[in-house]
Amino acid sequence: GENVEQHPSTLSVQEGDSAVIKCTYSDSASNYFPWYKQELGKRPQLIIDIRSNVGEKKDQRIAVTLNKTAKHFSLHITETQPEDSAVYFCAAKRYQAGTALIFGKGTTLSVSS
Amino acid sequence: EPEVTQTPSHQVTQMGQEVILRCVPISNHLYFYWYRQILGQKVEFLVSFYNNEISEKSEIFDDQFSVERPDGSNFTLKIRSTKLEDSAMYFCAKQGAAGNTEAFFGQGTRLTVV
Repeated sequence: GENVEQHPSTLSVQEGDSAVIKCTYSDSASNYFPWYKQELGKRPQLIIDIRSNVGEKKDQRIAVTLNKTAKHFSLHITETQPEDSAVYFCAAKRYQAGTALIFGKGTTLSVSS
Repeated sequence: EPEVTQTPSHQVTQMGQEVILRCVPISNHLYFYWYRQILGQKVEFLVSFYNNEISEKSEIFDDQFSVERPDGSNFTLKIRSTKLEDSAMYFCAKQGAAGNTEAFFGQGTRLTVV
């Protein structure tokens, strides 16, 4: 089955710096790669996603890149702000409806002002 | 998008007891999922459900677990005989029929087994 590895487990940056979180996956059939932000005690919330027919996607300060050949994808946050502090999870999923989202172990991002 | 609502928000139960976690509302046109998150760990897939049938389940979803749609509106996860290690946050999530669309998570039920 699918296995998603995520690095680093913790990341501390200064406000205004960029943050990069990387994930690798094992199942070549996976073609949907969402990123979730989870604040303490709350639900995971989607911040950006990318599908396998796209190499890069950007939404304001957040961007995701995908390299299907190497089976890795990355989250880039620019101009970080204290409110970006949270746990970020990457995930991978096959196209078929009803198949599981397989999550990475998460990255705790701390942005200090 | 209509929200996924879970009840209760927090449940404390004694080891060996049965618990039922609920997810409302449910639509005929969507896939529903249960995920589990042990404190401080990653989100883990349990089971997916569509039109009264299980679509996929993980190794975690053993005979102690079951899912039902008891009255056409609720979607429930039952744990038959709880163990201490079942203590976790349980999230219900919904996703459209296309497999590569956003999954929306409910606010979760925190289950504490004592």
